[in-house]
Amino acid sequence: AQRVTQPEKLLSVFKGAPVELKCNYSYSGSPELFWYVQYSRQRLQLLLRHISRESIKGFTADLNKGETSFHLKKPFAQEEDSAMYYCALSGYYGQNFVFGPGTRLSVLP
Amino acid sequence: NAGVTQTPKFRVLKTGQSMTLLCAQDMNHEYMYWYRQDPGMGLRLIHYSVGEGTTAKGEVPDGYNVSRLKKQNFLLGLESAAPSQTSVYFCASTGSRANNVLTFGAGSRLTVL
Repeated sequence: AQRVTQPEKLLSVFKGAPVELKCNYSYSGSPELFWYVQYSRQRLQLLLRHISRESIKGFTADLNKGETSFHLKKPFAQEEDSAMYYCALSGYYGQNFVFGPGTRLSVLP
Repeated sequence: NAGVTQTPKFRVLKTGQSMTLLCAQDMNHEYMYWYRQDPGMGLRLIHYSVGEGTTAKGEVPDGYNVSRLKKQNFLLGLESAAPSQTSVYFCASTGSRANNVLTFGAGSRLTVL
């Protein structure tokens, strides 16, 4: 069964501190992994995907197939990073995207 | 280029009433999806469509019906609304297997009394 778990509902860090949002998945095959973000009063939007191997807004995520994880990291959190973050996976043909329950990141001044 | 447009943005229904949510995209995307967003549950897939005239059930399809008569439109219907269907509904689309990134609508907040 396809499943995405995000163990933290809420994560609070101080500005300038490192942040890591955890994501684990279960999937029989080779999925594509994503992080989507929803800022206050804005639409859900793609933050990054594992196949592009990019760093977006200072965030990176590495796919660990052995641990079936795709944790999102940023070395120095900023207040504008406060948002709801969703980890998601998609099968190869992209016909179904499965989302985790989300983690609300709050960056304190 | 509007992207994905959802109407209405807000709606209040009484139990047993029916309504239709409209999702329209102007990106010529093949795949379209309806999700519901509930606190602590993330986004759960209701129904999806891989092309005009085709639909399929997602994780939580009960109580909902969909239609994709035109490629650009994906309608979500509630025939007899229940309080458990109070939620925020998101439509999303993606262009192809090669461009596997979802574009989301702004959401529709539905309250069933």
